[in-house]
Amino acid sequence: GQNIDQPTEMTATEGAIVQINCTYQTSGFNGLFWYQQHAGEAPTFLSYNVLDGLEEKGRFSSFLSRSKGYSYLLLKELQMKDSASYLCAAADSNYQLIWGAGTKLIIKP
Amino acid sequence: NAGVTQTPKFRVLKTGQSMTLLCAQDMNHEYMYWYRQDPGMGLRLIHYSVGEGTTAKGEVPDGYNVSRLKKQNFLLGLESAAPSQTSVYFCASKGTGESGELFFGEGSRLTVL
Repeated sequence: GQNIDQPTEMTATEGAIVQINCTYQTSGFNGLFWYQQHAGEAPTFLSYNVLDGLEEKGRFSSFLSRSKGYSYLLLKELQMKDSASYLCAAADSNYQLIWGAGTKLIIKP
Repeated sequence: NAGVTQTPKFRVLKTGQSMTLLCAQDMNHEYMYWYRQDPGMGLRLIHYSVGEGTTAKGEVPDGYNVSRLKKQNFLLGLESAAPSQTSVYFCASKGTGESGELFFGEGSRLTVL
């Protein structure tokens, strides 16, 4: 079957670094997406990885290992506004997205 | 530029009632999707469309119907609402690139009593 696993909740301190992990199993693979979703709002796109390695975009970076079925989202210099849920989604052989349940990130002062 | 707009934002229904959710996008996107989001679960695809006049079933299509008569609009219908359909519904659109990002509407919170 197809499955995405990510931690339910994480807590970090303002100004620190946090890594949110995601493991996936899909029928075929056409890339890994990360989205951010603030409470009561729509998901918004953060990153897309299809090749192994690290993609950096400002304070946010995303890593992919296709051989391990593993990705992580790295958030640096955490700010209170980064408190949100982070959704991992993998595209299968038909480019349909399989979504994880999301990781709720709580930032403490 | 409004992006993706969903109406209504909130609705309360009684079991057995019908309703339609409207999604409109102004980005000339080919692909449109309807998802539901429930606590503790990932987004689940209900139906999707790869272009005007086309629709296809997603992961959880039972109890829902859709239509894409115009490229910019994607309608989601509930013919006979059930309490299990209480959820937050998101519409999303995407351009023609297979790996393109999804643009989501603000969501529609539906409660079925």
